[in-house]
Amino acid sequence: EVQLVQSGAEVKKPGESLRIACETSGYSFISYWITWVRQMPGKGLEWMGRIDPSDSKPNYSPSFQGHVTISVDKSINTAYLQWSSLRAPDTAIYYCARINSYRVIDYWGQGTLVTVSS
Amino acid sequence: DIQMTQSPSSVSASVGDRVTITCRASQDLNYWLGWYQQKPGKAPKLLIYAASRLQSGVPSRFSGSGSGAEYTLTISSLQPEDFATYYCQEANNFPLITFGQGTRLEI
Repeated sequence: EVQLVQSGAEVKKPGESLRIACETSGYSFISYWITWVRQMPGKGLEWMGRIDPSDSKPNYSPSFQGHVTISVDKSINTAYLQWSSLRAPDTAIYYCARINSYRVIDYWGQGTLVTVSS
Repeated sequence: DIQMTQSPSSVSASVGDRVTITCRASQDLNYWLGWYQQKPGKAPKLLIYAASRLQSGVPSRFSGSGSGAEYTLTISSLQPEDFATYYCQEANNFPLITFGQGTRLEI
């Protein structure tokens, strides 16, 4: 069974750093791209970027380039989304997900709520 | 960047109704188009891929059609569990991806 299990909710202050995780199982980790999607409170889905676990090369949406870092650890089949300096507008649910060869997301994590507040 | 315009932004319907949601892109998507359903507090669920292919396990009342820059999701006979928010997603310029703004389907 394919599973993407994300790390738990976080509460941070502006300026703090954060890394959230997405642990995958049930499939060949290096065979599918991993993507991250943001959903701000009451809003729609925003694509942030994706990474090819086979070569660890990320691609970012222009809207998120330079503000987040996407990475993987192939040894433990886990992907990460990282901020070096959080801002209040980063408050959102973040989903990790698997992209298949049809370029659609066929499996999603349960989401990680990140709250940034002073 | 590809711009996606999803319409309507919200729609009210009744059980048994037929509902159509449209996504228009700023360029030809070459059928690289998917549709998702999201219920409150849940992750989205893939319904349609490659514009018209039904994802495994999705009821046949859901269908996708279209070509070029315009695509449609149709629910042929609404069921109570279908009231949710629906999103289109394009990937013609993969690895870049764009979601539509969403359509809220209400009773």
